[in-house]
Amino acid sequence: DAGITQSPRHKVTETGTPVTLRCHQTENHRYMYWYRQDPGHGLRLIHYSYGVKDTDKGEVSDGYSVSRSKTEDFLLTLESATSSQTSVYFCAISESGGPNEKLFFGSGTQLSVL
Amino acid sequence: AQTVTQSQPEMSVQEAETVTLSCTYDTSESDYYLFWYKQPPSRQMILVIRQEAYKQQNATENRFSVNFQKAAKSFSLKISDSQLGDAAMYFCAYRPGGGSQGNLIFGKGTKLSVKP
Repeated sequence: DAGITQSPRHKVTETGTPVTLRCHQTENHRYMYWYRQDPGHGLRLIHYSYGVKDTDKGEVSDGYSVSRSKTEDFLLTLESATSSQTSVYFCAISESGGPNEKLFFGSGTQLSVL
Repeated sequence: AQTVTQSQPEMSVQEAETVTLSCTYDTSESDYYLFWYKQPPSRQMILVIRQEAYKQQNATENRFSVNFQKAAKSFSLKISDSQLGDAAMYFCAYRPGGGSQGNLIFGKGTKLSVKP
């Protein structure tokens, strides 16, 4: 299995509080992605990174920011969490970002915003 | 905008039988890639099979195969000799060949149950 660790695995927080989710990889892959998964929807891309300090927005980026100061870590921050951000968040990595390339996923973080 | 549609929210199959999961997509691109991902109760997404749009030959991976109909924009997954471990959510996904590297577009998923 690809070395991807998401932390925390579960989190409960209150509306209006900041939240940071961490994705850590040991594969030295260049590309990293954050997705959210909601009932009735497939996974939707929030942000992705194509290198240290290089990030871009995905389909559902509003209300989220990301940072990548090291190859191995990709952080997702909710500056002021809202109930609509209750979801399961998945991190994924790929070696070079090619369209046919295999994505490796982490086990997800279940976030509940009350 | 590209979309992926899985019209079967749930499917059921008897162990050792064959089941086909449906997926259709909408795109104006000619270069793209299609995938099937499996999500077991452990939550981790696992790639089952992938297909390049420029290849006419259908992809196969052991008991898993696809029926790729480019003109009809259809990409179904066939699971042969179903096993209890195949029970999971299955997601069809589309990725354009150019442009943004990050945008993998998923369908809403099909929940597959396998009966012993």
